[in-house]
Parts: sequence; structure tokens; C-alpha cells
Amino acid sequence: RKEVEQDPGPFNVPEGATVAFNCTYSNSASQSFFWYRQDCRKEPKLLMSVYSSGNEDGRFTAQLNRASQYISLLIRDSKLSDSATYLCVVNQVDGGYQKVTFGTGTKLQVIP
Amino acid sequence: SQTIHQWPATLVQPVGSPLSLECTVEGTSNPNLYWYRQAAGRGLQLLFYSVGIGQISSEVPQNLSASRPQDRQFILSSKKLLLSDSGFYLCAWSRTGRSQPQHFGDGTRLSIL
Repeated sequence: RKEVEQDPGPFNVPEGATVAFNCTYSNSASQSFFWYRQDCRKEPKLLMSVYSSGNEDGRFTAQLNRASQYISLLIRDSKLSDSATYLCVVNQVDGGYQKVTFGTGTKLQVIP
Repeated sequence: SQTIHQWPATLVQPVGSPLSLECTVEGTSNPNLYWYRQAAGRGLQLLFYSVGIGQISSEVPQNLSASRPQDRQFILSSKKLLLSDSGFYLCAWSRTGRSQPQHFGDGTRLSIL
């Protein structure tokens, strides 16, 4: 089983739709979680951290389910500019060093 | 504020030639530094990480090496490039400690001919 797994998509959604992605992780000792977005041929950019109680940033909501070992990202009122690949990231701290594992990403295409 | 600079943006090299990619971070001290490679249409592969000057850990054995001669400088090198070394190379930094996200440079797109 992969350490971090994501559905590669693509998710094709119309503008204004709500879309959700999940990301599962295998190591129950994982300590922190993030969502990044990566545009085609660009570097990943931090979208948001994921907190245990869930958190929201504008149209984006992130949630963590430790019992089932997954994190989710919900995007409301999708915009054309949301088209990108969304990467989930899982961190563990081991001897002072962060072991960072990236998922392979979920591709989102928002259609006019 | 912190910034990360990575260069060059694009590089075309013949097989067997050497490589040197440089990454510098400004606005922070003692960062964790990382080199990743991303093959076309694939996920990020961690190549090297460093928690301090002269401290390099390798995640994947290959013909690449990394060095950290200064606190905020991270260099990726190869003596002889292979065709399989083509890809998108990304440098990243993070603060030390728990729950710290990584921040990426713009990347170098390397093509081996």
C-alpha cells in the first residue's frame, strides 16, 4: 500500500460546482497535513494546512479524519482558475527531521 | 519575508555531461532544504534533504549528489548525466520543527539529449 494515495482524476466539473477530493495515508503516526496546488509545468504552491478540527479558507475547506486516516479538500463555487493538480502532503517528525510524503495528485479541470 | 531562488529555469544537456543546479534561500536561518525530481506526468520524488551545513541525506541512490556549503545554499550535482535524469527539479525549504510546510522554488526543467 502506498504511503499516501490520491485518485488521479481528472475531475471535470462545471463552473460553480462543488468538488471534493480525498487523500488516504497509511502511517497512523503522521502528524501534520497539507494541500498544495500545482499548475501545469509549475512548482507546487501551498494551498492550506489541514487542522484536526477542520479549517476553511474562503471557498476551500480541509478536513482530517484520523480514525479513517484520510484528509479531504472541498472546493465550493469552482472557478476556471481552480483548474490544477491538487497534491496532499503528509508529514511525520522523526529525530528532528520532517519526513514528508507527497501524493501523486488529483487533477481538476473546471469547465466553462 | 522568505524567498527561495533556483536557477537556471531551463537546461538542455548532452548525455554524459556534468550538472550543477543551485538553490538559495533568503530571510530565514537554518532551514531544512530539499531536492525533488518530478518526471513528466508523475509525482514528486525526494532526492536529498539537509538539516544543516554539510549534512545531506540521500533518499534514492543514483548518479546525483547534493552539497550544502552554506546555511542557505543547496547544490545538486552530477558528474555524468543519464537520459533518465531528465525531469523537473525542485528545491524546497521548510522551517525546522513540527507542522512546517515546504515552500518551493520555481524549478529547473532539465532535458538530456
